[in-house]
Amino acid sequence: DIQMTQSPSSLSASVGDRVTITCRASQGISNSLAWYQQKPGKVPQLLVYAASRLEGGVPSRFSGSGSGTEYTLTINSLQPEDFAHYYCQQYYQNPYTFGQGTKLDIK
Amino acid sequence: QVQLQESGPGLVKPSETLSLTCAVSGASVSGYYWSWLRQPAGKGLEWLGRLFSSGTTNSNPSLKSRVVMSVDPSKNLFFLNVTSVTVADTAVYFCARSRGYFDYWGRGLLVTVSS
Repeated sequence: DIQMTQSPSSLSASVGDRVTITCRASQGISNSLAWYQQKPGKVPQLLVYAASRLEGGVPSRFSGSGSGTEYTLTINSLQPEDFAHYYCQQYYQNPYTFGQGTKLDIK
Repeated sequence: QVQLQESGPGLVKPSETLSLTCAVSGASVSGYYWSWLRQPAGKGLEWLGRLFSSGTTNSNPSLKSRVVMSVDPSKNLFFLNVTSVTVADTAVYFCARSRGYFDYWGRGLLVTVSS
C-alpha cells in the first residue's frame, strides 16, 4: 500500500494567515492526489483533485501543488470557515489511501 | 445535483454481517465507480472498496476479504456487506461517487458493533 504522511498533524493560525499543509507519498503517485476539508460531524468535501485542480465552487484562496511524492495544500487569507480537518488522498493505486489528517484551528 | 443516502441498521452484533445500502439520486449508477469508506470516531478516513455499475469490484486488502459489494442499476442502489464484524468495525460509513477521488458523498451512517 502507498503510505500518505501529512504534516503538520495540527496547526494553529489566525484569520488572514496563509497556511501550507504537506502530504508525502511513500512512492510516486503521478499527481493522483486529492485534498478534502472536513468539519466536525460533517461529510468530507473535495477541494482539489489531480494535485492542483480546484473542484467547482471551492474558493480560489485554496490551491494545490506538487509532483512526484510531495504535495501541498495552501490556503491564502484564512477565513473563519476554513478552520477544520484536512486530508490528502492518493488514487494512483489500489487501495486508495488517506493521510492521517491535519487539524487547523484558530490561534 | 447528485445525492447519495446510506441506510441500514445502526447496531450490529459481533460476528454478524453489517449490511448497508446507498441510494443514488440525480445521476445513474451506470457508467461510474462507487465507493464505500468509513471513519471511526475521532480518526481518519479508510477506503473499503469500489464497484462499477457492471458489478466489477475492488476491495481494500486490509479487510481480508470481509467486504462484499454489489449494485442494482435498475433501482440505482449499491450495497455493502462486511462479514464477521468486531468492535473495530464501529465507524461512520460513507458511500461516495468514485473518480479515483470522491466528489459526491452520502451524509454517513454511524454503525456500532456491540452485543
